[in-house]
Amino acid sequence: AQKVTQAQTEISVVEKEDVTLDCVYETRDTTYYLFWYKQPPSGELVFLIRRNSFDEQNEISGRYSWNFQKSTSSFNFTITASQVVDSAVYFCALSEVTTSGTYKYIFGTGTRLKVLA
Amino acid sequence: GAVVSQHPSRVICKSGTSVKIECRSLDFQATTMFWYRQFPKKSLMLMATSNEGSKATYEQGVEKDKFLINHASLTLSTLTVTSAHPEDSSFYICSAQRAYNQPQHFGDGTRLSIL
Repeated sequence: AQKVTQAQTEISVVEKEDVTLDCVYETRDTTYYLFWYKQPPSGELVFLIRRNSFDEQNEISGRYSWNFQKSTSSFNFTITASQVVDSAVYFCALSEVTTSGTYKYIFGTGTRLKVLA
Repeated sequence: GAVVSQHPSRVICKSGTSVKIECRSLDFQATTMFWYRQFPKKSLMLMATSNEGSKATYEQGVEKDKFLINHASLTLSTLTVTSAHPEDSSFYICSAQRAYNQPQHFGDGTRLSIL
C-alpha cells in the first residue's frame, strides 16, 4: 500500500544551523510524484517542490535542497542556515493514481520544525 | 504562483447550522479540486475529490449527505457542512490542480467552530 513516513515528529534547531527533514515512501507505481509543502502557523500550505519518479537529480533552491534516492525510497529536505521564519510544519506527499484515474496525495504526518533565535 | 482563494477563513456558528465554504482558483482552470480536513497537530485527511460537472468521489468514512460538494465550474468548488455539530469543528482546506501531474495548490483554509 502507498505510504509516506516522516519519522521526525518535531525538530528544534538554533538559527543558522542546517537541518534535514526525512521522508520515506512506499509505492507500487513506477510513475509517481513526490512533493514537499510548508504549513506555517497561519495554516496555509505552501508548495515547495515537485519531483517525478524518473528525475533523480537533486535540486537546490536558495537555502533549500532536496535529495531524492529511489534506491532507498527517500526524498529528504535540507534547509541550510535555518532562520526563524522557517519554523513551520513540513509535509511530504506522494501522489498516487486512483481506480477512477485521478491522482490524489498521500500525506506524511508532518515534521514540526522550530528554529530558535 | 498559482492562487487559490478559500472563503470564509473562519466560521463560528451554532449547532444545527449549515455552513458553506467556497474554494476558487483565481488564475487557472482546475480540472480537479480536493477537500481536506485537518485536526490540530495532525496531517491532512482527504475527504473528497471533485471534478467539474461530475459528482464528487468521497473517501471511505466520509458522509456524502453530511459534506455536500458542488463543483460548478473549473474555478469554483463548494463544501457545505449540513446540520453541523461540535464534532464537525475542524480546519478545512481545499486545493486545486491544473492537471494530474501538476502540484495541488491550497487555499488558506477555513477554521470551523460549532458551538
